[in-house]
Amino acid sequence: EPEVTQTPSHQVTQMGQEVILRCVPISNHLYFYWYRQILGQKVEFLVSFYNNEISEKSEIFDDQFSVERPDGSNFTLKIRSTKLEDSAMYFCASSSLGDSPLHFGNGTRLTVT
Amino acid sequence: EDQVTQSPEALRLQEGESSSLNCSYTVSGLRGLFWYRQDPGKGPEFLFTLYSAGEEKEKERLKATLTKKESFLHITAPKPEDSATYLCAVQAKSQGNLIFGKGTKLSVKP
Repeated sequence: EPEVTQTPSHQVTQMGQEVILRCVPISNHLYFYWYRQILGQKVEFLVSFYNNEISEKSEIFDDQFSVERPDGSNFTLKIRSTKLEDSAMYFCASSSLGDSPLHFGNGTRLTVT
Repeated sequence: EDQVTQSPEALRLQEGESSSLNCSYTVSGLRGLFWYRQDPGKGPEFLFTLYSAGEEKEKERLKATLTKKESFLHITAPKPEDSATYLCAVQAKSQGNLIFGKGTKLSVKP
């Protein structure tokens, strides 16, 4: 069964550093998402991406965040200057249509020290 | 404000002991309600989508139902492998993103 793959599985970085989290969505999907889950809290929406542009973003997704689909298969989340509070699991998801179920990857655990 | 509340936060069952998980929601026009299963250290795994009140979906020992205010995930004769956190999420008609509840952590003891 096709799946969403994310790399790395765990990333440790120092406060103020830039990180790029990578995702390969399911190949025939058209909608791409990033969510995050701080330990013990809800899964929270960050951003959705369709047709090579951001379609929605949450208040969390401020100027330090950016997304890119650099080629036909990868989808990346960049955090420009990491803060301690950015420590969380970051999940990439994709769907075939806007109201189809989202399929999630297994996440990247980001630890900011 | 769109909101999802799940109860109980944690549920311990003996193998074979059926029960239900609740998901109450308020949303400005429901496009869909989604149930996911999440194992420790993994991403949410899709289980069901429900679109309108009265709709029911089944998969093995799980059955999801939907009313205008809440959804139930019924677990019949659970097994230890059903132990996981079950997440409920809603999608509003006005936007595409999912709003998640905190989840119910289910433990099934043999």
